[in-house]
Amino acid sequence: DAKTTQPPSMDCAEGRAANLPCNHSTISGNEYVYWYRQIHSQGPQYIIHGLKNNETNEMASLIITEDRKSSTLILPHATLRDTAVYYCIVRVAWNYGQNFVFGPGTRLSVLP
Amino acid sequence: DAGITQSPRHKVTETGTPVTLRCHQTENHRYMYWYRQDPGHGLRLIHYSYGVKDTDKGEVSDGYSVSRSKTEDFLLTLESATSSQTSVYFCAISVGGSSGANVLTFGAGSRLTVL
Repeated sequence: DAKTTQPPSMDCAEGRAANLPCNHSTISGNEYVYWYRQIHSQGPQYIIHGLKNNETNEMASLIITEDRKSSTLILPHATLRDTAVYYCIVRVAWNYGQNFVFGPGTRLSVLP
Repeated sequence: DAGITQSPRHKVTETGTPVTLRCHQTENHRYMYWYRQDPGHGLRLIHYSYGVKDTDKGEVSDGYSVSRSKTEDFLLTLESATSSQTSVYFCAISVGGSSGANVLTFGAGSRLTVL
């Protein structure tokens, strides 16, 4: 029961910015938003996470709305190697730990 | 790959046979997870461990058992494999993030086919 909603697929031209949206309207006030991606059948790869403020690292930028109900992952200059499934995740408390609930994600195709 | 090794990487077995998948980490992280990934379902949590000999069920634990006798190894066992357990299995460890948020780091996966 994913707590996030993402479009199933998106296309982006090589060299352009890829903007991947995510809705997480039920997120709690102290919960982080995480983004991962999965290339082919490899293990999911961590990209970035954030709480309230916008974040940037060497891979991407994360823009979180002020009400925290949605966010956007930005790949500033998409390359063909960025073609992957991108997952927006909010953790769920689970007895003695936490569960990172993965939905179907967004399949991003970067086109030449 | 953050010191996570899964074995075997590929296995084909027959219905009714026992199967054990191994996850090995080299960094002494407390939390370890087993997920399965099937088309249309994303990743689903099977079991996780929060310390040596401390394990708990996840969303899809039926038909699976786990053991963690030492920090570095987390074993997933299918006592009697069924075709519905054909899947790709991922192990993950939880690593403390820079801002206090834990980040999951995944292994390369184990592809299991049950005939």
